[in-house]
Amino acid sequence: GQQVMQIPQYQHVQEGEDFTTYCNSSTTLSNIQWYKQRPGGHPVFLIQLVKSGEVKKQKRLTFQFGEAKKNSSLHITATQTTDVGTYFCAGHAGGTSYGKLTFGQGTILTVHP
Amino acid sequence: DAGVIQSPRHEVTEMGQEVTLRCKPISGHDYLFWYRQTMMRGLELLIYFNNNVPIDDSGMPEDRFSAKMPNASFSTLKIQPSEPRDSAVYFCASSFRLSGRAHEQFFGPGTRLTVL
Repeated sequence: GQQVMQIPQYQHVQEGEDFTTYCNSSTTLSNIQWYKQRPGGHPVFLIQLVKSGEVKKQKRLTFQFGEAKKNSSLHITATQTTDVGTYFCAGHAGGTSYGKLTFGQGTILTVHP
Repeated sequence: DAGVIQSPRHEVTEMGQEVTLRCKPISGHDYLFWYRQTMMRGLELLIYFNNNVPIDDSGMPEDRFSAKMPNASFSTLKIQPSEPRDSAVYFCASSFRLSGRAHEQFFGPGTRLTVL
């Protein structure tokens, strides 16, 4: 079945440093979503990417979808302590599995003040 | 809107007991998902429904797990009998299909289950 791999598993940064997490799917995706889960909380939707090569920005966050629609990345510029949490990518294959997302293992981000 | 509602928020039970987790999706959403989250296995999809019909239950660990959605505003996940390895946080999520694309899933606060 479809697999979504995410690296790194953990990332520790000093406040102000940049952060990037990468996501790779074993199959071509219809679209990819990113979620953030704060410690003790639940996953919250951040963004969805649909088009090949798409780049979207949300303030200090930049999301990219690969040309082959099999990989994606999330980059945070100048991290802040409020960025702490686990970042998940979730791939949607489309077709007969419409609606189903396959989540990556997540990257746990720790920001030291 | 109150968002996705789950109950109970915490459940502590003993091995062998039946556990029932409840979920009320966001009104108007036509997809409902049950996930399990552990440190070892991450966030796993157990089962999902579309318009109250189970579409994919391939993630359900074994016959001890069952899920129902008797109407558009209520779903249950039942574990009988429960085992210590079932200890995890169980999330319910809902979404709404619009146009031809999958849309964001809205997660409930989760139920933290501990089986002793």
